[in-house]
Amino acid sequence: DIQMTQSPSFLSASVGDRVTLSCKASQSIYNNLAWYQQKLGEAPKLLIYNTNSLQTGIPSRFSGSGSGTDYTLAISSLQPEDVATYFCQKYYSGPTFGSGTKLEIK
Amino acid sequence: EVQLVESGGGLVQPGRSLKLSCAASGFTFSNYYMAWVRQAPKKGLEWVATISTSGSRTYYPDSVKGRFTISRDNAKSSLYLQMNSLKSEDTATYYCARHVPFAYWGQGTLVTVSS
Repeated sequence: DIQMTQSPSFLSASVGDRVTLSCKASQSIYNNLAWYQQKLGEAPKLLIYNTNSLQTGIPSRFSGSGSGTDYTLAISSLQPEDVATYFCQKYYSGPTFGSGTKLEIK
Repeated sequence: EVQLVESGGGLVQPGRSLKLSCAASGFTFSNYYMAWVRQAPKKGLEWVATISTSGSRTYYPDSVKGRFTISRDNAKSSLYLQMNSLKSEDTATYYCARHVPFAYWGQGTLVTVSS
């Protein structure tokens, strides 16, 4: 089974900062990667799919990149409403989620 | 507008069964694979089951294989999850989602397995 490892588990940053979250697969997932944002008490929301495609309605400050086993979610200018937990998910050879990165405002 | 509305959660004793339902609207349900995803309290997300458009193919992780059964009724735009032999570790909020990636989610229904 392909494992997904996210880092860091917790991140504290200031409003306006550029933030990057990492997701590593135990073997290549051929860009079959999505990112989700989950705010407290809510269902997850799809942000990015196919590594770098922005879901409709998602602000352009969110972007995704990567290939092979290493993927990144970037937030270009952190906003207060971005406080959430972020999960990566591979959908090559079945869906598997990473353990999440909890993002807070410093 | 796409809507997914789960129901059927509740408190159930270990070893018992429970069936969840998900009512879909706002899209052509029969055109999409569908899935169940769960989240234990204060934990991460775990994929639980996927079903093909016709219902002829189903997929499960090892953690629920043989205990959970996903099904669908395309005429009713409804998705189901039959959960048997429930364990305390099955306690979670269960979401239905349009597969994959999971662009649309329901609000979730809480299943608590406890004596």
